[in-house]
Amino acid sequence: GAVVSQHPSRVICKSGTSVKIECRSLDFQATTMFWYRQFPKQSLMLMATSNEGSKATYEQGVEKDKFLINHASLTLSTLTVTSAHPEDSSFYICSATRTSGGSTDTQYFGPGTRLTVL
Amino acid sequence: QKEVEQNSGPLSVPEGAIASLNCTYSDRGSQSFFWYRQYSGKSPELIMFIYSNGDKEDGRFTAQLNKASQYVSLLIRDSQPSDSATYLCAVKMYSGGSNYKLTFGKGTLLTVNP
Repeated sequence: GAVVSQHPSRVICKSGTSVKIECRSLDFQATTMFWYRQFPKQSLMLMATSNEGSKATYEQGVEKDKFLINHASLTLSTLTVTSAHPEDSSFYICSATRTSGGSTDTQYFGPGTRLTVL
Repeated sequence: QKEVEQNSGPLSVPEGAIASLNCTYSDRGSQSFFWYRQYSGKSPELIMFIYSNGDKEDGRFTAQLNKASQYVSLLIRDSQPSDSATYLCAVKMYSGGSNYKLTFGKGTLLTVNP
């Protein structure tokens, strides 16, 4: 299989706090991990691409200092939403591609983290 | 701007019928194409991928690719109410340097009526 987990699945926080979301590939090593955001009734929007041991590549319009990404190992990437505000409330989803075995093109998605900022 | 276009639907079919979902893409150099299914409130799950022109079958699902027409489709045979979901077409596109990314369509909402 190709299982990706995310933690937490749901978080509610006060405005101004920081929230960390973990993304783990459970049964494979991930060359690359991706972070997406999805607002209600809209499609997935790529926020950033991260490769283990190097700096993340952010999409245009995504603030690097607000959305901190750390890809510490081939099985773990974290997204920290710093000083969260209500407009950051969204569904955050990570995905990962394999280093080897099977399609190295295919992105396998985690279950998502629903962030609500009050 | 590189784009992936899908009819947003909703597409409504009766149980047991064939559902046909279509997708066009703008980047002629794209080589990898994916169909994902997303239930409401959940993350996308991979249905299948296709790289070569023609048809690729997996159970009740058939993906069809025509690179000359920049068109990819997904057929669902013997549609079931449990197939009701949003179907996302995704195309792997070059994004600069040595990087590639998936560009998603907005998705087609499919409803299978019992």
